[in-house]
Amino acid sequence: GNSVTQMEGPVTLSEEAFLTINCTYTATGYPSLFWYVQYPGEGLQLLLKATKADDKGSNKGFEATYRKETTSFHLEKGSVQVSDSAVYFCALSAGAGGTSYGKLTFGQGTILTVHP
Amino acid sequence: DTEVTQTPKHLVMGMTNKKSLKCEQHMGHRAMYWYKQKAKKPPELMFVYSYEKLSINESVPSRFSPECPNSSLLNLHLHALQPEDSALYLCASRTEAGRYNEQFFGPGTRLTVL
Repeated sequence: GNSVTQMEGPVTLSEEAFLTINCTYTATGYPSLFWYVQYPGEGLQLLLKATKADDKGSNKGFEATYRKETTSFHLEKGSVQVSDSAVYFCALSAGAGGTSYGKLTFGQGTILTVHP
Repeated sequence: DTEVTQTPKHLVMGMTNKKSLKCEQHMGHRAMYWYKQKAKKPPELMFVYSYEKLSINESVPSRFSPECPNSSLLNLHLHALQPEDSALYLCASRTEAGRYNEQFFGPGTRLTVL
């Protein structure tokens, strides 16, 4: 079956530090990959996505590249802010064909705390 | 309109109560989802509706009863819940046009069962 593994947290950084959150996956076929972010007390928001190998998703200074050869989709940001403090989920979707209905497989989540 | 709305935001209920959660989207999405999320954990899929038809039930106890009255609305009826059912309940929607589109999540309903 499909699975997603994220680096264990929590991650604590100072403002303007470089961020990397590792994500690796196991899936059959050619899944789409996503990073969702959840701020305290809120639902999940899509941060970025990539739908095929070598695609780079980017948004709000965050980037992730779909690496099929290493089955990875690591999240990076060059300079984090206090407002980036949240829980980050890596996820994959094997598509909507057959009986999958676009189901998402989530990693366990990484709690990020950024201090001033 | 590019959002998913959920009501109520918070709900406290006793184990003998009957209540309902409501989810609405006006993006024309034909796939809608219910998730349960415990603190600091990823969402767990409960149900999937595709074109108003229940397509996936992830072995959810019958005290949770989903309903999709039309393509924009999704309800979750709750009856005789247990304290361990206390969680954040998230609704999401997704277009069925294309294989690799993301799900859009609502803000959730924070449920407490006493």
